[in-house]
Amino acid sequence: KQEVTQIPAALSVPEGENLVLNCSFTDSAIYNLQWFRQDPGKGLTSLLLIQSSQREQTSGRLNASLDKSSGRSTLYIAASQPGDSATYLCAVGRMTTDSWGKLQFGAGTQVVVTP
Amino acid sequence: DGGITQSPKYLFRKEGQNVTLSCEQNLNHDAMYWYRQDPGQGLRLIYYSQIVNDFQKGDIAEGYSVSREKKESFPLTVTSAQKNPTAFYLCASTPRGPGTEAFFGQGTRLTVV
Repeated sequence: KQEVTQIPAALSVPEGENLVLNCSFTDSAIYNLQWFRQDPGKGLTSLLLIQSSQREQTSGRLNASLDKSSGRSTLYIAASQPGDSATYLCAVGRMTTDSWGKLQFGAGTQVVVTP
Repeated sequence: DGGITQSPKYLFRKEGQNVTLSCEQNLNHDAMYWYRQDPGQGLRLIYYSQIVNDFQKGDIAEGYSVSREKKESFPLTVTSAQKNPTAFYLCASTPRGPGTEAFFGQGTRLTVV
């Protein structure tokens, strides 16, 4: 059974520092990996989608890498800002014979960026 | 604007009641999903549907039911058989096929009173 782990569970950094968020998964048979942002009491906002054949994706200050063989992904946020404070979730696309699109989520990393 | 609309934002249920959460999407996506989120845990899949008039159980389907009569709509009913329904419920959709990007609604917080 696929398990997704995010460490640390919480992280606090001063403004301007780079953020490094980790995600690990136990089964390398995945379709893709997606990073989300969640603000308190809100839904999930998609940040980056990495296909299983890709090594990384970039969008503005965000960069995500994927090493499928070792079961790891890392989300880098450059020059953090207080507005980056949120919970960040990673999810892997489960590869099953009967369906597509199902996601397996980690519990998230809660980030606080202090001014 | 294209997106997923969940309603209501807050819902209160008395013991023994069934309640229905609404999810509507105008993204023309084929697949829709319901997830449950509890504090400190990752989202867990309740039900999913890849095509109209068909749906499948996810990892925690007991005490829930769904229907998919229209492509745009995927309502979730939390029945009285669900013993611990207090949670944050999120609806998502994806286009057809593996590896596509998932989009989420703003969620419904259900509380048992």
